[in-house]
Amino acid sequence: GAVVSQHPSRVICKSGTSVKIECRSLDFQATTMFWYRQFPKQSLMLMATSNEGSKATYEQGVEKDKFLINHASLTLSTLTVTSAHPEDSSFYICSANTHQETQYFGPGTRLLVL
Amino acid sequence: QKEVEQNSGPLSVPEGAIASLNCTYSDRGSQSFFWYRQYSGKSPELIMSIYSNGDKEDGRFTAQLNKASQYVSLLIRDSQPSDSATYLCAVPLPGNTDKLIFGTGTRLQVFP
Repeated sequence: GAVVSQHPSRVICKSGTSVKIECRSLDFQATTMFWYRQFPKQSLMLMATSNEGSKATYEQGVEKDKFLINHASLTLSTLTVTSAHPEDSSFYICSANTHQETQYFGPGTRLLVL
Repeated sequence: QKEVEQNSGPLSVPEGAIASLNCTYSDRGSQSFFWYRQYSGKSPELIMSIYSNGDKEDGRFTAQLNKASQYVSLLIRDSQPSDSATYLCAVPLPGNTDKLIFGTGTRLQVFP
């Protein structure tokens, strides 16, 4: 149980385009999901907390207009990287909380902006 | 003091040995503790959670919690090369049990 999926697993896009990443909890309902970013050989960095039916809470320094988060249902949260630039290239990972407040991670999405 | 501290390693152990990974945390009120394993290029995977003082065993893994000393450790018995990964310790953010604070992780290398 507690499976989280992400789609796509890998995406390459041109600078200036927008990219949407989906995060789904497959076998449980998640009122809270999280979005992280990780650069090579660095720690996980929490970007935002996504709550079903309400606005996301962004960490300090994360631009909410650049990283749009929508948590439309108890099993789906999306992250849209708007007007992506090469410096946005990273490994984006979502996680979801079970009712036991345990976080399970999705497999991640590797974004490369050319 | 960082809220969750881990030695970055690498910790190198021979195959078959016991690997001991340690983590200290600053919030005395923390009630839940998690160990994640992250292979290179992959996302973290939950290995163990522990909530009470003492030991919790799951297969080759044992989590040990000492709230008085504010440390939690992970022992891996009969270490295998496939255990080579970064191990992340995580504790809920004080006052917000939804969010986790992660340590920087300890890189474990198990050599044949």
